[in-house]
This record gives sequence, structure tokens and C-alpha cells, in this order.
Amino acid sequence: NAGVTQTPKFQVLKTGQSMTLQCAQDMNHEYMSWYRQDPGMGLRLIHYSVGAGITDQGEVPNGYNVSRSTTEDFPLRLLSAAPSQTSVYFCASSYSGGTNEKLFFGSGTQLSVL
Amino acid sequence: EDKVVQSPLSLVVHEGDTVTLNCSYEVTNFRSLLWYKQEKKAPTFLFMLTSSGIEKKSGRLSSILDKKELFSILNITATQTGDSAVYLCAIPQGGSEKLVFGKGTKLTVNP
Repeated sequence: NAGVTQTPKFQVLKTGQSMTLQCAQDMNHEYMSWYRQDPGMGLRLIHYSVGAGITDQGEVPNGYNVSRSTTEDFPLRLLSAAPSQTSVYFCASSYSGGTNEKLFFGSGTQLSVL
Repeated sequence: EDKVVQSPLSLVVHEGDTVTLNCSYEVTNFRSLLWYKQEKKAPTFLFMLTSSGIEKKSGRLSSILDKKELFSILNITATQTGDSAVYLCAIPQGGSEKLVFGKGTKLTVNP
């Protein structure tokens, strides 16, 4: 059982480049989300989705786009990378509804923007 | 605004010590409080607490919630170097599935 799979694990971009971070889960979870983690800032929510075709903004959405065409996949797009987007990115998923907020995390993507 | 405050932010102890990590919160429509351990990569789930006064336990780790005073503690007894990690506390925001995280407590256990 693969769980939550993120690719790539590492990426270096130049300012202004665009790229997509991939996230897939095989647990049939309705809820998926993207976080970024910066030193001293904890985990901050970028975007989330409660099901296929539904997405919404989190705490720090600027500069990022998401889509949810299937239950399994939730890619995160950086439209025009900036040095401020240098961070570690985590995708996470959970069952939706009830009190089942336990998140399962991917292994993370370390992104550097030069 | 829902928020989670963890203390201390950093803690250094010797193997065998007992530590207590704190998490206070403010939230509308409380559902649960979760603890995660983060070593080098992804956070891994430790506990989910929903009821006051009921201790959750896993080996040397235990946690309890006080919904009246709006805090939780995570205890680790007889610490080992493998307990060195960042411990994260989180709550669902406004009764939704969105988790709001604290900044974490970095625990270092020296031999």
C-alpha cells in the first residue's frame, strides 16, 4: 500500500519558472491538501480539496494553483516561481467527514528557487 | 481566528529524562486535537484526542486533553535518542477537516 506519493523529492528552479508538484494517494481519501513548511513557521496550508472537482484556498495560496480532476491526484502548480517559495512542501490526505481528521503525509518535496 | 501555540519551542534533555510538551489552542467548534512526530521527513501520527481527561498512551508516550482550559500535554518518559524530533500539535479549523498546526517543539535527546 503506497499511501501518499509525492514527486519530485528535490527540485531547483530559477525565478520565473513554472512547475508542478505531483501528489497521488491510493487510500480513496476524499480530503487532500498541500502544506509548506518553513523554519520557525510550522506547517501552513496552501490549498485543499474535499473531493474531486472541489478546491479551496488555505492560509497561503498566493502564487499556487491546484486542481482535483480525480479522487487520487492533487497536483500543485507554481505559476512563476519566486525565491519566497523556497520551502519544503507536503501533500496530505484523510478521510472526510465525522471526526476522522488524521492526516497521512507524503514524504515531501524540497524546493529551492534561485 | 483558530490558533495553536506550542511550548517550549525547543528542548534539550539527556537520555532517561521525562519531558512534557505543551499545546494550547483556540478554536470555534472543537472536534479534536492531534499530535504528530516529525523526524527528517513527513510528520507521522501519534494521537488524536477528543475527550477531556482521558489519557491516550503508546509505549513511553502519553497525551491528555483539557477542554476546559484549552490545552493538551504530550509526555515522554525515559527518553531515548530516537525520540529526538519535532513534535507538532494540530486542530481542525472551525470544525472542518483543515488542520491548523502549531510551530512545533524541537526535542533533542542527548546520550
